[in-house]
Amino acid sequence: KQEVTQIPAALSVPEGENLVLNCSFTDSAIYNLQWFRQDPGKGLTSLLLIQSSQREQTSGRLNASLDKSSGRSTLYIAASQPGDSATYLCAVRPAGTASKLTFGTGTRLQVTL
Amino acid sequence: DVKVTQSSRYLVKRTGEKVFLECVQDMDHENMFWYRQDPGLGLRLIYFSYDVKMKEKGDIPEGYSVSREKKERFSLILESASTNQTSMYLCASWAGGSGNTIYFGEGSWLTVV
Repeated sequence: KQEVTQIPAALSVPEGENLVLNCSFTDSAIYNLQWFRQDPGKGLTSLLLIQSSQREQTSGRLNASLDKSSGRSTLYIAASQPGDSATYLCAVRPAGTASKLTFGTGTRLQVTL
Repeated sequence: DVKVTQSSRYLVKRTGEKVFLECVQDMDHENMFWYRQDPGLGLRLIYFSYDVKMKEKGDIPEGYSVSREKKERFSLILESASTNQTSMYLCASWAGGSGNTIYFGEGSWLTVV
């Protein structure tokens, strides 16, 4: 059974720092991996999607990498801002069960002034 | 932009009541999902549907049922609400394909008293 782990569970950084969020998964047979952002009390917003054949994706100050063989993904946030404060979740779509995403429990990020 | 609309954001229901949570998407997606999100447990899949009138159980279907009579609408039904179903419920929609992202609604907070 696929398991997804995110470390750390919570992180506080001063504004302007570059930071890395980690996601690991136990089964490397995946269809794709997605990173999401969730603001308190709200739904999830997709940030980046990496297909199994890709190594990384970039969007603005965000860069996500994927290493399937080691079961790891990282989300890099450059020049963090207070508006980046949110919970970040990663999710994998296992190969062969294309409809089902398995989520990590998230990293709660606070960017302080 | 894809929009997934959950009609009820906050509900308070009594134990034993029948509860309907409605979800509508506007992008003609084949696949729709219901998740619940609880602190420390992350998102867990309740049911999903890959076509009109088609449904499959997710990881925690007990105590829930679903209905998909039209492509754009996916309803979650709690036949007899219990306090352990107090949670945040998230609906999602997906076109399919490894390069397509999944889109979430804003969530429905259900409290069962």
